[in-house]
Amino acid sequence: KNQVEQSPQSLIILEGKNCTLQCNYTVSPFSNLRWYKQDTGRGPVSLTIMTFSENTKSNGRYTATLDADTKQSSLHITASQLSDSASYICVVSAGGTYKYIFGTGTRLKVLA
Amino acid sequence: NAGVTQTPKFQVLKTGQSMTLQCAQDMNHNSMYWYRQDPGMGLRLIYYSASEGTTDKGEVPNGYNVSRLNKREFSLRLESAAPSQTSVYFCASTAKVAGVAYEQYFGPGTRLTVT
Repeated sequence: KNQVEQSPQSLIILEGKNCTLQCNYTVSPFSNLRWYKQDTGRGPVSLTIMTFSENTKSNGRYTATLDADTKQSSLHITASQLSDSASYICVVSAGGTYKYIFGTGTRLKVLA
Repeated sequence: NAGVTQTPKFQVLKTGQSMTLQCAQDMNHNSMYWYRQDPGMGLRLIYYSASEGTTDKGEVPNGYNVSRLNKREFSLRLESAAPSQTSVYFCASTAKVAGVAYEQYFGPGTRLTVT
């Protein structure tokens, strides 16, 4: 069964600290993996998309990594800001334009 | 560009009532989607439309119908609402990026409560 699991479910950190969110997947065939940020009450917004051949991709203070062999991805947030408080969702595409498998997300809260 | 817009933002229905959720995108995208998001679960695909004039069922289509009115608009209809359809509904559209992957753009969501 195609599945995307994220950990931790929730995380609280102090402003300025770094954190890493994890994503494990069992999706076949694998096409690409993306991370989304979802602010409360809003739709998800894409942070990064990585294909099979990409190991690392950055978007400002966000750096995603992908290990296609172990089927794991991580999202590292550097020097966190209050505005980083949101849910972060890992999504794996199983090919085609509609086969997206969504994780349940990690809810991050950044405290001043 | 407004991106993906959805109306209404909030809606309360009684069991058995019907309603249509509207979605429009101004990015000239071919593919559009309807998802629902429930607490503790990932987004689940209800219906999608690969192009104008075509629609296909997703993971959880029961109780819903869709219409791809034109390239811009994709509506979701609940014919007889049930409490199990209480959820947040997101519309999305996709564009091909980097020649390989498809980027999804989401609307702001419609929060539906069925009592």
